[in-house]
Amino acid sequence: EAQVTQNPRYLITVTGKKLTVTCSQNMNHEYMSWYRQDPGLGLRQIYYSMNVEVTDKGDVPEGYKVSRKEKRNFPLILESPSPNQTSLYFCASSLSGRDGYTFGSGTRLTVV
Amino acid sequence: AQTVTQSQPEMSVQEAETVTLSCTYDTSESNYYLFWYKQPPSRQMILVIRQEAYKQQNATENRFSVNFQKAAKSFSLKISDSQLGDTAMYFCAFMKKEDDMRFGAGTRLTVKP
Repeated sequence: EAQVTQNPRYLITVTGKKLTVTCSQNMNHEYMSWYRQDPGLGLRQIYYSMNVEVTDKGDVPEGYKVSRKEKRNFPLILESPSPNQTSLYFCASSLSGRDGYTFGSGTRLTVV
Repeated sequence: AQTVTQSQPEMSVQEAETVTLSCTYDTSESNYYLFWYKQPPSRQMILVIRQEAYKQQNATENRFSVNFQKAAKSFSLKISDSQLGDTAMYFCAFMKKEDDMRFGAGTRLTVKP
């Protein structure tokens, strides 16, 4: 089944403890993105990648890192999480962008 | 920067009736893509419909159709014969480049029995 797989689905962590949210797609898509969803703000792009080893900042990159060492994987790293990073996170991928993005099932992150 | 505005935070509709969700966007580009995504309580993001700006004809997918007014920069979603399963958050999205999709704040739609 063609899909974007995100893990974990839920995560509660403490301030300052490094964490990684994994994202993998099995559709050989070129484009991958990370978004965060907050009430009243919709989805905002954190980072995106156009291909292996090619990444760039979105609108809200502060406090996040990404890497794209393989085409299928695009992990999101929070080196020192803070409470303002409590949010719902989505990974998404697309072959060409213009056909729309396929989203993972989301990761609900709570930083206390 | 392109912005997307959904002016209706919440809407409700009776089952079997028709409802229209509004979306406007701001851009100076002539070629771009527009999308509507549905997010049910399961929180999965589901692509409902897409529209290419250079196409005059409004897109249709079963009970879902759009009214694309390029000059007015408007992209509304019409849901006909509303069903209980249509209850969800709906997001309008604009894309100029393949790596830059921007979303509105969303409209929460409730379909009442």
